[in-house]
Amino acid sequence: AQSVTQLGSHVSVSEGALVLLRCNYSSSVPPYLFWYVQYPNQGLQLLLKYTTGATLVKGINGFEAEFKKSETSFHLTKPSAHMSDAAEYFCAVTTTDSWGKLQFGAGTQVVVTP
Amino acid sequence: KAGVTQTPRYLIKTRGQQVTLSCSPISGHRSVSWYQQTPGQGLQFLFEYFSETQRNKGNFPGRFSGRQFSNSRSEMNVSTLELGDSALYLCASSAATGATNIQYFGAGTRLSVL
Repeated sequence: AQSVTQLGSHVSVSEGALVLLRCNYSSSVPPYLFWYVQYPNQGLQLLLKYTTGATLVKGINGFEAEFKKSETSFHLTKPSAHMSDAAEYFCAVTTTDSWGKLQFGAGTQVVVTP
Repeated sequence: KAGVTQTPRYLIKTRGQQVTLSCSPISGHRSVSWYQQTPGQGLQFLFEYFSETQRNKGNFPGRFSGRQFSNSRSEMNVSTLELGDSALYLCASSAATGATNIQYFGAGTRLSVL
């Protein structure tokens, strides 16, 4: 079985500041990791994914994440926050023996202040 | 290419009634997954269908059921509704081939049980 822990249910950042959202996973087999974003009254939009290969993955809207197996982490970063980044962010994990089932973290609400 | 379409977007039901939600996947996608999202429990996996067969199931009571048709469209049914079933129900589709298996989400159906 796999699980995801997101540290911090709420994060407040100033416009132009670094955005750092933390995600740690647990999996007994190689994981596939995802970050999704959810805007109010909408579904989930994929930001980026890690499957195999390069451990630093780049996504949409200037976001990137680094897979660190030794730390079982997949933290999401963006160098400079924009007001439009205000949303809820979810880290998720799946494995090859559970295709179709994403295990999500509890989510992190990001507030961007001017 | 059209995205994942969920209908209806909003539903109001009373306790004891039953409800059916519909999901049309992205053209060519054969896998459809369903999730329940609530403020208290977060995003929880309900079940996944692939080529009309349920392939994975989450930890929900038997009142929650689903099916998939030959055109990959899927329906989810909840019988004997309870107040706690009030939630945003999200459907996701994927091509279910290869290592990426990215799930693309619809906007969801918001169910309110009174």
